[in-house]
Amino acid sequence: SQTIHQWPATLVQPVGSPLSLECTVEGTSNPNLYWYRQAAGRGLQLLFYSVGIGQISSEVPQNLSASRPQDRQFILSSKKLLLSDSGFYLCAWSLLSGLGYTFGSGTRLTVV
Amino acid sequence: QKEVEQNSGPLSVPEGAIASLNCTYSDRGSQSFFWYRQYSGKSPELIMFIYSNGDKEDGRFTAQLNKASQYVSLLIRDSQPSDSATYLCAVINAGGTSYGKLTFGQGTILTVHP
Repeated sequence: SQTIHQWPATLVQPVGSPLSLECTVEGTSNPNLYWYRQAAGRGLQLLFYSVGIGQISSEVPQNLSASRPQDRQFILSSKKLLLSDSGFYLCAWSLLSGLGYTFGSGTRLTVV
Repeated sequence: QKEVEQNSGPLSVPEGAIASLNCTYSDRGSQSFFWYRQYSGKSPELIMFIYSNGDKEDGRFTAQLNKASQYVSLLIRDSQPSDSATYLCAVINAGGTSYGKLTFGQGTILTVHP
């Protein structure tokens, strides 16, 4: 069966520090991968999606970037965190367009 | 106009009652519709999906889709306190550049009280 791993679960980082969040999927090949952010009291916002290695699409301009160095690995990064980057970051995967996503357990990021 | 709209609630129902959650969407090209449940502090989990007009039942859950009215709903029968959560409606338009992109509503907070 397929599983998705996301870490760390919680993170407290100072303003201006770098960020690296990692997500890996097991039990499937060539998944579509997604990064979402959920700010406090707000809905889920799609940040990036990837349909293959090295293929990254950005949905909104921001202080973040994403990379997909391997088929089942998706990384969210920032060179310098802002207070507004605080939120609940969720990685998700799907196999085919039109199917629902499966989410990882999320990373709660607090920038102080 | 938001792409996917939900009443944020909170919706409060007594245990054993039917909870009705509603969602409208703006893109007529939308093809797939999903309901996720999100407990506080946890990630969303998929509970229902529907692609065709009409009703789809799974246990205590029924999803209803009306593409002409651009409306999708979720009914929860015999509501239990464990159903208390935020319910997220999500929509996919699989065409064009929005490749399989799920667009979420803001979510409806449901509270089932004993």
